[in-house]
Amino acid sequence: DTEVTQTPKHLVMGMTNKKSLKCEQHMGHRAMYWYKQKAKKPPELMFVYSYEKLSINESVPSRFSPECPNSSLLNLHLHALQPEDSALYLCASSPQGRELDEQYFGPGTRLTVT
Amino acid sequence: GEDVEQSLFLSVREGDSSVINCTYTDSSSTYLYWYKQEPGAGLQLLTYIFSNMDMKQDQRLTVLLNKKDKHLSLRIADTQTGDSAIYFCAESVTNDYKLSFGAGTTVTVRA
Repeated sequence: DTEVTQTPKHLVMGMTNKKSLKCEQHMGHRAMYWYKQKAKKPPELMFVYSYEKLSINESVPSRFSPECPNSSLLNLHLHALQPEDSALYLCASSPQGRELDEQYFGPGTRLTVT
Repeated sequence: GEDVEQSLFLSVREGDSSVINCTYTDSSSTYLYWYKQEPGAGLQLLTYIFSNMDMKQDQRLTVLLNKKDKHLSLRIADTQTGDSAIYFCAESVTNDYKLSFGAGTTVTVRA
């Protein structure tokens, strides 16, 4: 298995909803990442987990809450989002759980906040 | 600084070669990457090069690195319609998980 999977593909949620994005990889990678990508822009790093521990939080608002239940799974819990949070949310993983690893991306979840 | 710059658009005829250019500023860059993103899809890692190399070839793809000028290029030989996409150049530096991306080059392949 050489891919990163993400569910759901599309999500529409209201500003008072609570939802979760899921990411899974079975490549034995030890680091996992969440990125946010707006249209026609490069991805922006949100969080990094290395060996199931949160290594980096890029000053992301607390309405986004990451969780890494095990080395294969990464969740992003969403609560009280704003319309400007609408974007493509990309998950990535990398083999060694350290910097300088190549990162492999999933297909993304397209989130619309109404 | 971690500024990565790319030209925004490239139009190429089917069958010709495409060359996408990228410049970066961080002299401690260690790996440099090329990613491809098709509409509505995630990023696909195409290739990467270690900073002590000056060239890497993989089938139709050739990466050239000029470390003195901090210039990276991706050449796609025999460009096909399936190569139409946004191509992102990215760098990673020692002691940082962060990939610094360029703005992306939109490649359009015309018949």
